[in-house]
Amino acid sequence: DGGITQSPKYLFRKEGQNVTLSCEQNLNHDAMYWYRQDPGQGLRLIYYSQIVNDFQKGDIAEGYSVSREKKESFPLTVTSAQKNPTAFYLCASSFFHGYTFGSGTRLTVV
Amino acid sequence: GNSVTQMEGPVTLSEEAFLTINCTYTATGYPSLFWYVQYPGEGLQLLLKATKADDKGSNKGFEATYRKETTSFHLEKGSVQVSDSAVYFCALSTGNQFYFGTGTSLTVIP
Repeated sequence: DGGITQSPKYLFRKEGQNVTLSCEQNLNHDAMYWYRQDPGQGLRLIYYSQIVNDFQKGDIAEGYSVSREKKESFPLTVTSAQKNPTAFYLCASSFFHGYTFGSGTRLTVV
Repeated sequence: GNSVTQMEGPVTLSEEAFLTINCTYTATGYPSLFWYVQYPGEGLQLLLKATKADDKGSNKGFEATYRKETTSFHLEKGSVQVSDSAVYFCALSTGNQFYFGTGTSLTVIP
């Protein structure tokens, strides 16, 4: 079955460390997105990519970086510059009028 | 610009009660409209969609009608169940980028 796979489901990071969240899709979608969700809040766009080797900042890109070397993969790195990284991270892909979401990664700073 | 406004929660209903979650939008062009549902600890799943004015999306007993004259896409269900407890997001798309509401938390009690 086609879909989006995010890994790991739970991730713990020590302060000052960089961590990378994986997002892989086999839907052949061109566009991919990363969102951050904080408790009781909506989705905030971090980065998006509409084509391989190209990506744009969303509303809250500071402290994050991405790459898009393959159509299927859009990893997100949470850097030490992100001061409050504890959140639920969602990856999505789209083709015309339809979004498919992964099941999310919960990142906790310890 | 494009934006979505949905009623704030949380909403608590008894089983078999009628549900309405209001959603209004502002958009340039002719957007498609969506409702997504998020169960605890999971990603978002598409619940229903409508791609043009007067279309009605429906799924699992939920319905929403695309009303261009009132720029609305209210979610309704005639008889909610405990299993409907989740967070519901209204969204619009005018192309490859989505705009989400802040989400409405629904709790259904037996």
